[in-house]
Amino acid sequence: NAGVTQTPKFQVLKTGQSMTLQCAQDMNHNSMYWYRQDPGMGLRLIYYSASEGTTDKGEVPNGYNVSRLNKREFSLRLESAAPSQTSVYFCASTYTHLGNEQFFGPGTRLTVL
Amino acid sequence: AQSVTQLGSHVSVSEGALVLLRCNYSSSVPPYLFWYVQYPNQGLQLLLKYTSAATLVKGINGFEAEFKKSETSFHLTKPSAHMSDAAEYFCAVSEARNAGGTSYGKLTFGQGTILTVHP
Repeated sequence: NAGVTQTPKFQVLKTGQSMTLQCAQDMNHNSMYWYRQDPGMGLRLIYYSASEGTTDKGEVPNGYNVSRLNKREFSLRLESAAPSQTSVYFCASTYTHLGNEQFFGPGTRLTVL
Repeated sequence: AQSVTQLGSHVSVSEGALVLLRCNYSSSVPPYLFWYVQYPNQGLQLLLKYTSAATLVKGINGFEAEFKKSETSFHLTKPSAHMSDAAEYFCAVSEARNAGGTSYGKLTFGQGTILTVHP
């Protein structure tokens, strides 16, 4: 059981470049989430997917798009990267039920120059 | 809307001393509350959670937290700090239900508290 996996672990982009962060879970969870973590700001929700085929905006969705490819995979795309998107990105998943905790991946550290 | 405030972005204790990390929440409905720990360059790991059963919740690594509705607090404690407890700790509140009665399991996190343990 790998849990939640994320690729890549590190990435450096130039302003204006695009990239996709990949996330997969093998726990048969229905809901998946993308967060960004910045110093002193905790984790902020970018997008989430309550079930396969649905996605919704979170607190900070501007500049990002997502795809729920199937039940296992949820990708995050930066179409035109900006220095303000330098951050650590975490994917999480859960079986949506009141009180269930989210399980987190190891994170992707992204730097935009 | 729900929110979480963690008092103190940095807490420093000596090895063997009491650890107290403070968390206050705001929620219009009975909340579900979580404490997560993040070790350097790792993801978040669940320490413990409150889901409306016992108000004193015990978690991993000797940590516990008490839900106090009257104070809207969910402070994390450990009687005796260990060097391995050095990490960042996050308090989070889960949405209860949306207007249609469905929970999407979204979490709202506090800003985090970095715990330093001195020998």
